[in-house]
Amino acid sequence: EVRLLESGGGLVQPGGSLRLSCATSGFTLSSYAMSWVRQAPGKGLEWVSVITASGGRTYYGASVKGRLTISRDNSKNMVYLQMNSLRPEDTAVYSCAKHKGYGGNIDAFDIWGLGTMVTVSS
Amino acid sequence: DIQMTQSPSSLSASVGDTVSISCRASQTISNSLNWYQQKPGKAPRLLIYSASTLQSGVPSRFSGSGSGTDFTLTISSLQPEDFATYSCQQSYSNPVTFGQGTKVEIK
Repeated sequence: EVRLLESGGGLVQPGGSLRLSCATSGFTLSSYAMSWVRQAPGKGLEWVSVITASGGRTYYGASVKGRLTISRDNSKNMVYLQMNSLRPEDTAVYSCAKHKGYGGNIDAFDIWGLGTMVTVSS
Repeated sequence: DIQMTQSPSSLSASVGDTVSISCRASQTISNSLNWYQQKPGKAPRLLIYSASTLQSGVPSRFSGSGSGTDFTLTISSLQPEDFATYSCQQSYSNPVTFGQGTKVEIK
């Protein structure tokens, strides 16, 4: 069974940092790009970042560029999101999502995790 | 960025009804349009990709149509498990963007 399991969320003060992890299983991680998508309370889905299958290229949404860093370790079947300089508007459930096709960095997301809640508040 | 606008934002329907949800892109996206279903406390589920292709395991009462800028998700013979929020997503260019969601509620 293909599964994604996020962890690492929590309450952090403005300006603080968190590192989110996404444990993957049931598929060959090295064949797929992976994204992080967030959903603020009562709001729609917002794409945050993508990393290509090999990890050689990364892209970010304008609202997080320069503060969040996506990475992956295909040997450990893990995807990460390092979050620095956090702001109250970053408060959301963060989910990792598997891209449907092989390799492409722009795609539908066919598998999602349940997400991990990040709350930025003093 | 490509803006995705869904309508309506919510609708009420009864079991057995046919409902349609519209998604409009701010510029042409060919057929690079995907639809998701989301229920409270559950992960989003991919229903339709490339505007009209049914994802494996998704019931045939779900269908998608459109190309260019205008797209439609249709649910025929609505079932109790279909009451959820539906979102469209363009995968034409980075950053990928989502519609704001349409909540389908029980009448």
